[in-house]
Amino acid sequence: DVKVTQSSRYLVKRTGEKVFLECVQDMDHENMFWYRQDPGLGLRLIYFSYDVKMKEKGDIPEGYSVSREKKERFSLILESASTNQTSMYLCASITGTSGSSKQFFGPGTRLTVL
Amino acid sequence: AQSVTQLDSHVSVSEGTPVLLRCNYSSSYSPSLFWYVQHPNKGLQLLLKYTSAATLVKGINGFEAEFKKSETSFHLTKPSAHMSDAAEYFCVVTITSGTYKYIFGTGTRLKVLA
Repeated sequence: DVKVTQSSRYLVKRTGEKVFLECVQDMDHENMFWYRQDPGLGLRLIYFSYDVKMKEKGDIPEGYSVSREKKERFSLILESASTNQTSMYLCASITGTSGSSKQFFGPGTRLTVL
Repeated sequence: AQSVTQLDSHVSVSEGTPVLLRCNYSSSYSPSLFWYVQHPNKGLQLLLKYTSAATLVKGINGFEAEFKKSETSFHLTKPSAHMSDAAEYFCVVTITSGTYKYIFGTGTRLKVLA
């Protein structure tokens, strides 16, 4: 079974801290995604990566950056955390190379910025 | 531009009665459409997907959805609700224009009453 793991389930950080969220998938997927989930807003795409060292901005990239040095690992970086980045962060990866592919999701990281 | 609208943010049904969760989409291309479910404190799980084959799609746990191009709808149904169906449900449309983006609806929270 495909597994997508995220480094932390819960994280509490202070305003201005640099925050790293890690995601690892074990099925050699090319495409990986970072979303944030907020009540009433659904999932919004922050960044996605379609290959090692390749990335593309999603709908809400401001305040975030990403890193993909290895195929299985996709990191989300909050350069200077702010309270409005308190949210649930979800990582996903997809099989295949078509728009009909199923997304596999990690369990999520609930980040609180104080 | 692609978009997806979930018409109800909350739906309440009694156990044993039918479930209807509504989703309308907008797409310039032939869309791929998905329904995902998220149980409390769990990751997102694929219920079913439509990819231009049969218009009536059967998923897991007794759910099904019908693709209606004339109505641009992809409503999720189940004949008889079970307490374990209480969760949040997301309708998703994909676009593939070189790279892959998944557009999520804002979610419908299903409550099942005993």
